[in-house]
Amino acid sequence: AQSVTQLGSHVSVSEGALVLLRCNYSSSVPPYLFWYVQYPNQGLQLLLKYTTGATLVKGINGFEAEFKKSETSFHLTKPSAHMSDAAEYFCAVSLRISSGGYQKVTFGTGTKLQVIP
Amino acid sequence: EPEVTQTPSHQVTQMGQEVILRCVPISNHLYFYWYRQILGQKVEFLVSFYNNEISEKSEIFDDQFSVERPDGSNFTLKIRSTKLEDSAMYFCASSARSGPNTGELFFGEGSRLTVL
Repeated sequence: AQSVTQLGSHVSVSEGALVLLRCNYSSSVPPYLFWYVQYPNQGLQLLLKYTTGATLVKGINGFEAEFKKSETSFHLTKPSAHMSDAAEYFCAVSLRISSGGYQKVTFGTGTKLQVIP
Repeated sequence: EPEVTQTPSHQVTQMGQEVILRCVPISNHLYFYWYRQILGQKVEFLVSFYNNEISEKSEIFDDQFSVERPDGSNFTLKIRSTKLEDSAMYFCASSARSGPNTGELFFGEGSRLTVL
């Protein structure tokens, strides 16, 4: 079984400040980890993903996340928030499959990011 | 860049009516999924589909729901008799069998269903 916990349903930061969105996961096997962003009335857009290899992954729009196995965490960060970053962010986990592409992705409850001018 | 497309973008229906939501997955993908998001809530897994059959379904996916791949390109979700609580955004997704994007779901823009 797999699950995701996102701490904080709402996060507010000032423009130019550090963005930190927290995600902890639970998985019985090595996971794939994802961050998706959803702008109002739009679909889900992949920000970044961790599958294998380097534990610090960089995504679009200046976001990055670090996979920490010892802490079962995959927190999302951005050094300097921009007004356009205001959106809802979902952390997600799926089980790593040795072969084939089937993935059942389990989403966290989401964190709404507000950026204050 | 290949993308998943969904139609309609928004559908309003009366309670008890049948609804079909359509999706065109990325052409070389073999796994297909439906997720839904009730307004203000998390994105929930409904069903996955591979090799013309359901691979896995959640408890939400009851007898009122069905999926079909009627031809080589479309993937549909049918709700036989809609209920008020079916109002949600429905997302279609697909994933590759192999290759550099294995493990990544590509999502469509969603179909918003409003049941009155």
